[in-house]
Amino acid sequence: DSGVTQTPKHLITATGQRVTLRCSPRSGDLSVYWYQQSLDQGLQFLIQYYNGEERAKGNILERFSAQQFPDLHSELNLSSLELGDSALYFCASSVADGELFFGEGSRLTVL
Amino acid sequence: GENVEQHPSTLSVQEGDSAVIKCTYSDSASNYFPWYKQELGKRPQLIIDIRSNVGEKKDQRIAVTLNKTAKHFSLHITETQPEDSAVYFCAASSGSWGKFQFGAGTQVVVTP
Repeated sequence: DSGVTQTPKHLITATGQRVTLRCSPRSGDLSVYWYQQSLDQGLQFLIQYYNGEERAKGNILERFSAQQFPDLHSELNLSSLELGDSALYFCASSVADGELFFGEGSRLTVL
Repeated sequence: GENVEQHPSTLSVQEGDSAVIKCTYSDSASNYFPWYKQELGKRPQLIIDIRSNVGEKKDQRIAVTLNKTAKHFSLHITETQPEDSAVYFCAASSGSWGKFQFGAGTQVVVTP
């Protein structure tokens, strides 16, 4: 157990819909990262937050948005979903510039 | 921004042989280089890491080397075992102010 909690574990929805993925970082970790992993693909960096502020942005689509709340949990919002958005979405947290601890992931299936 | 290239994309080795995976990075500000192992359907987990002030680090059968001048780092697995079969990702980071960028991954298959 990494200490990073992601919900839901699985999510099935239809094209055009909107979903929210939630992440609770390890206690004390200020940084939260979101990654997308499509089937047999690598870890595509989406966005990073540090203590509530957006710190770095990767290849995140305009249909996607995220935020980190004062209690440090983070949410990734995916809207106008397309078939190609089906993937495993990982959240990871770290203290500062050290090891990333990954959650178990949220598997999104768009039908 | 940081770009990390990883080779090879797949690697098949006989049990007991060594495996080497290489990565290059572009951002000279990167100072932290971890390696993650991801088994099928599971989360990536750190297996070893190295910082820019160190040239080599070992942990039992695995080792990582870093060449800052050439901007490349490598993972070495000796005496491979079937349980080493997984996808391995390298990554580079310049700290909490920068992206934590991963390579594309290497599928390692260890055959008995």
